Amino acid sequence: RKEVEQDPGPFNVPEGATVAFNCTYSNSASQSFFWYRQDCRKEPKLLMSVYSSGNEDGRFTAQLNRASQYISLLIRDSKLSDSATYLCVVNIVLVNRDDKIIFGKGTRLHILP
Amino acid sequence: DTAVSQTPKYLVTQMGNDKSIKCEQNLGHDTMYWYKQDSKKFLKIMFSYNNKELIINETVPNRFSPKSPDKAHLNLHINSLELGDSAVYFCASSPDRGAYEQYFGPGTRLTVT
Repeated sequence: RKEVEQDPGPFNVPEGATVAFNCTYSNSASQSFFWYRQDCRKEPKLLMSVYSSGNEDGRFTAQLNRASQYISLLIRDSKLSDSATYLCVVNIVLVNRDDKIIFGKGTRLHILP
Repeated sequence: DTAVSQTPKYLVTQMGNDKSIKCEQNLGHDTMYWYKQDSKKFLKIMFSYNNKELIINETVPNRFSPKSPDKAHLNLHINSLELGDSAVYFCASSPDRGAYEQYFGPGTRLTVT
């Protein structure tokens, strides 16, 4: 099983719809989780951190399920500008206290007018 | 002011050459990273420095050598370039090592011919 897995998509969603996608991780030592968005030919940008209690930022909601080892991202009332690739990032603290940072391969989202 | 800057933005060179990419951050962060994003868009960490100390050194050919003259700069030198080195290289910084958000530079698109 890969350390971090995402459905590559693409998800083609009409404007205004709600879309959700998950990211699963295999290492139970994973401690920190983030969602980044990457536009075509641009750098990744932090969308939101994912907290144990779940968190919301406007139309975006992130959830963490430690028991099932996945994080999710929900986008409500989707806009054309939400079209991008969404990258899941997991930070693992190793036995020797070093960090291991793993990016998922991303989920492509296309919002259709 | 650009928070994380990289030079050059584009680099086209021939196999066997040696080249360097420079990165600077003006965010006052302690930790900097180099990532490689290949043609399949998979973003993989290569190195990380914290206060000029190497803390992450993934399995990368030793033709790649990072150098951090101070905590605001992290350069990447590549010897004997190969076709497979063609990719986009992103520099990033974060306030500290571990569970912090990362800020990415615009990327350097390296093409080896």
